[in-house]
Amino acid sequence: DADVTQTPRNRITKTGKRIMLECSQTKGHDRMYWYRQDPGLGLRLIYYSFDVKDINKGEISDGYSVSRQAQAKFSLSLESAIPNQTALYFCATSVGGSGTTNTGELFFGEGSRLTVL
Amino acid sequence: AQSVTQLDSQVPVFEEAPVELRCNYSSSVSVYLFWYVQYPNQGLQLLLKYLSGSTLVKGINGFEAEFNKSQTSFHLRKPSVHISDTAEYFCAVSVKTSYDKVIFGPGTSLSVIP
Repeated sequence: DADVTQTPRNRITKTGKRIMLECSQTKGHDRMYWYRQDPGLGLRLIYYSFDVKDINKGEISDGYSVSRQAQAKFSLSLESAIPNQTALYFCATSVGGSGTTNTGELFFGEGSRLTVL
Repeated sequence: AQSVTQLDSQVPVFEEAPVELRCNYSSSVSVYLFWYVQYPNQGLQLLLKYLSGSTLVKGINGFEAEFNKSQTSFHLRKPSVHISDTAEYFCAVSVKTSYDKVIFGPGTSLSVIP
């Protein structure tokens, strides 16, 4: 089984619909991230969380919200999807917390492809 | 602010030929450097990383990269590519004082031609 699991892997929806992408991890990492991948733009950070009570906006958070339900679960929501949110979304984790050495190395899920019509 | 440039968006190369994928970064502070690979329909996985020490770093699948501080580069090389190396390659940096924000380059699509 994958260490970082994303559901759904593929989703087609219509403009205005609410969408939730879920991420769970078994790596025991404190830090979790949501990235968006668009062709030619690389990966851009949407939100990140250092623990259950710590949520931070990334560079492109407008139109998105997140919830850290537990140390192992981090979900991304699009309250009202629009076509330019069509993209490949990745959840990632990294080590963190006291006594650890965090270099920024990320561990990725397999991605959730979202199409908004 | 930090930025990462990958000048080549697409690199076609014949099987068993050598390849170099270029990465340059801009940062006023020390960074950690990474190369990730994304195979079709998969997530990203770490290919190699430079944290400190020797500037020549070896990774998985025969890849290596050299950190050049004066040129702020971290080019990826492989002496002989295989069909299975066809993938998207991303260079990334994290700032040592703020490693919660990893900056990715736009990616280079490597196509290995039989």
